[in-house]
Amino acid sequence: DAGVIQSPRHEVTEMGQEVTLRCKPISGHNSLFWYRQTMMRGLELLIYFNNNVPIDDSGMPEDRFSAKMPNASFSTLKIQPSEPRDSAVYFCASILTSGGTTQYFGPGTRLTVL
Amino acid sequence: AQSVTQLDSQVPVFEEAPVELRCNYSSSVSVYLFWYVQYPNQGLQLLLKYLSGSTLVKGINGFEAEFNKSQTSFHLRKPSVHISDTAEYFCAVSGGTRGATNKLIFGTGTLLAVQP
Repeated sequence: DAGVIQSPRHEVTEMGQEVTLRCKPISGHNSLFWYRQTMMRGLELLIYFNNNVPIDDSGMPEDRFSAKMPNASFSTLKIQPSEPRDSAVYFCASILTSGGTTQYFGPGTRLTVL
Repeated sequence: AQSVTQLDSQVPVFEEAPVELRCNYSSSVSVYLFWYVQYPNQGLQLLLKYLSGSTLVKGINGFEAEFNKSQTSFHLRKPSVHISDTAEYFCAVSGGTRGATNKLIFGTGTLLAVQP
């Protein structure tokens, strides 16, 4: 079975540009999580969805960040406008809510904002 | 609120030596505990988890961990490490119920550096 798929794997952009990160969860998983990893702050949960509905977005750093999950097989994390301090690795993870206990992580998107 | 503390940011060890990576947690409710491994430029992979039952949990790649409720610890151990075990190891905690609130709280990670 395919794992969690993220695209792109690497993104380099200039400050002020819009960035869209994409995630496809494992088929059948109905909860999806977005994390950010930096040297300074480690792994932080940004937002998570259950059955396509955002449940907790308290980790989203500011209004420049937004996330959507239009259907069970796709989610996006958008940064507009991007800033150098947004440079990080962004991970997506999914879990089967009913009885599931393990989050499965994608390979991550390494974002560099110049 | 839950929290996880990994006191050692880096653990150097020689190949074939034993290793222990420490993890302590804080929670007012029952918890699930996890260890994830992150190899360079890769995502996180589950090593092992404790949900309930036996306090000694065995995972992949020869790793094991012991849940100690009285000491609120979940230390990771391996009797003999290999060069290929060089990676970042993360301890994590979530609420101890199955369901939508499976938020993971991660520790800051421990870099295991295995030397020949």
